[in-house]
Amino acid sequence: KQEVTQIPAALSVPEGENLVLNCSFTDSAIYNLQWFRQDPGKGLTSLLLIQSSQREQTSGRLNASLDKSSGRSTLYIAASQPGDSATYLCAVMASGTYKYIFGTGTRLKVLA
Amino acid sequence: DAGVIQSPRHEVTEMGQEVTLRCKPISGHNSLFWYRQTMMRGLELLIYFNNNVPIDDSGMPEDRFSAKMPNASFSTLKIQPSEPRDSAVYFCASSPSQGSYEQYFGPGTRLTVT
Repeated sequence: KQEVTQIPAALSVPEGENLVLNCSFTDSAIYNLQWFRQDPGKGLTSLLLIQSSQREQTSGRLNASLDKSSGRSTLYIAASQPGDSATYLCAVMASGTYKYIFGTGTRLKVLA
Repeated sequence: DAGVIQSPRHEVTEMGQEVTLRCKPISGHNSLFWYRQTMMRGLELLIYFNNNVPIDDSGMPEDRFSAKMPNASFSTLKIQPSEPRDSAVYFCASSPSQGSYEQYFGPGTRLTVT
């Protein structure tokens, strides 16, 4: 059974820092991995989608990497801003299922 | 496009009552997903549809839960009878297909059962 873990559960950093959020999964047979952002009281917003054949994806200050063999993904946020404060969730779609299994998230707070 | 639309945004009901949550997916999207989010269990997939047909309902917790998608632009999630442990935020999401595409989430319905 696929399990997805995110570390740390919470993170507080000063504005301007570069930071890394971690996601690990137990079964490497995945279709893709997606990173989401969730603001308090809101739905999820897709940030980056990495196909199983890809190693990384970039969007602006965000870069996500995928290492299927080790069951890990990282989300790198460059030059963090207070507006980046949110909960970040990674989700793994297991091969052949079309279902996402979500991690429990990392709650990020960027201090001005 | 207005994105995924859910109603109501908040629902407070008494134990034993029937609750119906509604979702309108993004026009042209063929797949629709219902999720539940709680502090204890995180975000869980309840059921998903492809081309209006239920594909996987293994996440539906009990027979008290049912979901329908009568057409491509509307879906409902019904709980009858409701219980306090059903209190959660219920999200609907849609995707262009059930394959490898981003899922677009609605704002959610916060359900409180007293």
